Amino acid sequence: AQSVAQPEDQVNVAEGNPLTVKCTYSVSGNPYLFWYVQYPNRGLQFLLKYITGDNLVKGSYGFEAEFNKSQTSFHLKKPSALVSDSALYFCAVRDKDGGSQGNLIFGKGTKLSVKP
Amino acid sequence: NAGVTQTPKFRILKIGQSMTLQCAQDMNHNYMYWYRQDPGMGLKLIYYSVGAGITDKGEVPNGYNVSRSTTEDFPLRLELAAPSQTSVYFCASSLHGPNTEAFFGQGTRLTVV
Repeated sequence: AQSVAQPEDQVNVAEGNPLTVKCTYSVSGNPYLFWYVQYPNRGLQFLLKYITGDNLVKGSYGFEAEFNKSQTSFHLKKPSALVSDSALYFCAVRDKDGGSQGNLIFGKGTKLSVKP
Repeated sequence: NAGVTQTPKFRILKIGQSMTLQCAQDMNHNYMYWYRQDPGMGLKLIYYSVGAGITDKGEVPNGYNVSRSTTEDFPLRLELAAPSQTSVYFCASSLHGPNTEAFFGQGTRLTVV
């Protein structure tokens, strides 16, 4: 069975400091991994994904994520946080060898709060 | 460029009532999805469609029905509303399936009382 865990409900960061939002996953085969962001009263927006290739993936708004197969992690990072980065962040996983077309599994979300 | 449009944005239903949540996309995407989002629970897939005329159940389909008569539209039907269906519902679409970027609507906040 597939699963994804975001161990922190909330992450607090000062503006200008680096940020990390953690994600670990469990799949039986090789994973497809995604990060989405949700601003208040809005739908989710795609940030980045890992399918194959380079373990460091760069995405929108200066975010990046590192795929670590041995630790089954896909942490989201940004070198310098902005107040406007404050939002809810979701990690999602799908097993490459999974049979269902639709089953992308989402984590519970991590609320990022960036203070000036 | 509208993307994914959901209506209504808010709705209050009484127990046992029925309603249809509308979803339309103008990107000619083959894949469409319905999710529900409950506080602290992430998103759960209700139903999805890989093209017009083809639908399938997701993780939490009970109490819901869908249809996909056109590429653009993917309505979600609640036949007998229950308090457990109080949630925020998101429609999404993607061009080539769940391994590609999904575009989400703004959501429908449904309360069943």
